[in-house]
Parts: sequence; structure tokens; C-alpha cells
Amino acid sequence: AQKITQTQPGMFVQEKEAVTLDCTYDTSDQSYGLFWYKQPSSGEMIFLIYQGSYDEQNATEGRYSLNFQKARKSANLVISASQLGDSAMYFCAMREGPRYSGGGADGLTFGKGTHLIIQP
Amino acid sequence: DTGVSQNPRHKITKRGQNVTFRCDPISEHNRLYWYRQTLGQGPEFLTYFQNEAQLEKSRLLSDRFSAERPKGSFSTLEIQRTEQGDSAMYLCASSLGLTGTGLDEQYFGPGTRLTVT
Repeated sequence: AQKITQTQPGMFVQEKEAVTLDCTYDTSDQSYGLFWYKQPSSGEMIFLIYQGSYDEQNATEGRYSLNFQKARKSANLVISASQLGDSAMYFCAMREGPRYSGGGADGLTFGKGTHLIIQP
Repeated sequence: DTGVSQNPRHKITKRGQNVTFRCDPISEHNRLYWYRQTLGQGPEFLTYFQNEAQLEKSRLLSDRFSAERPKGSFSTLEIQRTEQGDSAMYLCASSLGLTGTGLDEQYFGPGTRLTVT
């Protein structure tokens, strides 16, 4: 089974609109972390936002927020007031395991990504 | 520039040749990770180092792959007897290695794109 599922291969959104990128995850661990990364055409992975499994509040970072629904194993990324520069690939990722609670030594497991295109 | 750097940025090689990539992490970062990303996919974890110790290897890392981080600073990833299936972007990331907290943010380099002909 896929650990991270991103069901939207591509999305077109009008500039200034809000956009939600879906991510569901699969883990039996109680302690895990969820991450979103942006990858523009230049190829570099840019960290956007993080949610810990024990965090009670949804994470926010500027225009980015994470809609964390633990019971549904869902961690959707919401981008408010989209800009042309938001056009990129977006990846949801997870780090899991008991070692995670001690600082997270394992590698990240990524989804297949969503290609977001912002139209003027 | 104080970010993660990788060299070379592009490598074209013939099948059967050996290649070596280098990653220079952010200077104070203890942990260094290698990932592979093929077209249309997310990055896949290969291995990671805590200082000079290689602590975890994915089953994706076949015997033809070897990684080192001899002095706990830069790292090299070598692929021996390259195959066409090795064509991918190889990404390096580093992190502080914080303990006692959930977030140990990984900072990625620009990657090395390998093409095996």
C-alpha cells in the first residue's frame, strides 16, 4: 500500500484564489511527522510546512496552512491567495516510527506529487 | 552561499561506467541524506549519515551503490557499473539532527541529474 497518496496529478488555479492540495497517509505508528515540499522547475526541494502527529493545532506558515485530520489520516496543504510563483510540483512526505519521537532520524517517504499551475 | 551544494549538476555516462557524486551539506548539520528521484515521482530515500556513521540504507540501495562521509562533512555517492535504470536525479539533504523535537528540517541541494546511455 502507498504510504503517501496524492490523488491530484495536476491542478489549474486562477491567480489569487485559494487552493487545496490533497494528501492522505498510511501508518500504524502513533508518532510521526508530515511535511510539504515545493519543487519548482529548477529542481530544488523547498520545505514549506510541518505537522507533528501530536500537534493539536493545524500548522500555519504565512500563506500556507496544513489541514490535519488525524482520524482520516489526511494532511492537506492549503495555499491562500495563490500567486504565479506558486506554480510548481508539491510533495507531501512523512517520517514515521518510534525513533521519530526522538528527533526523526529516518528518511522521508514522499508521495508522487501534484503539479500546480497558477493561471493569470 | 551557505546552502547544500552538489556536484556535478549533470552527468552523462555510458552503461557500465562508474560515477561519483559529491554533496556538501550545510556546515553545522550533523545528518546527511541521499534520495533518488525519477521522472514523475517523488524522491525516494536511499541512505543517511549521522556525522560519519551510515545509519540506515534503503533496500533501493543495491550493492552497486556505496556512500561515504569520511570526516562527517561532505559525502560521496558512487554507482558502479551503471545501468540505464540508474538514470535519475540524485538529491542530497542535510539537517541539524535535533533530538527531542519532531521537526528536524531537511534542506535539499539542487541535485545531480544522471543520464546513463
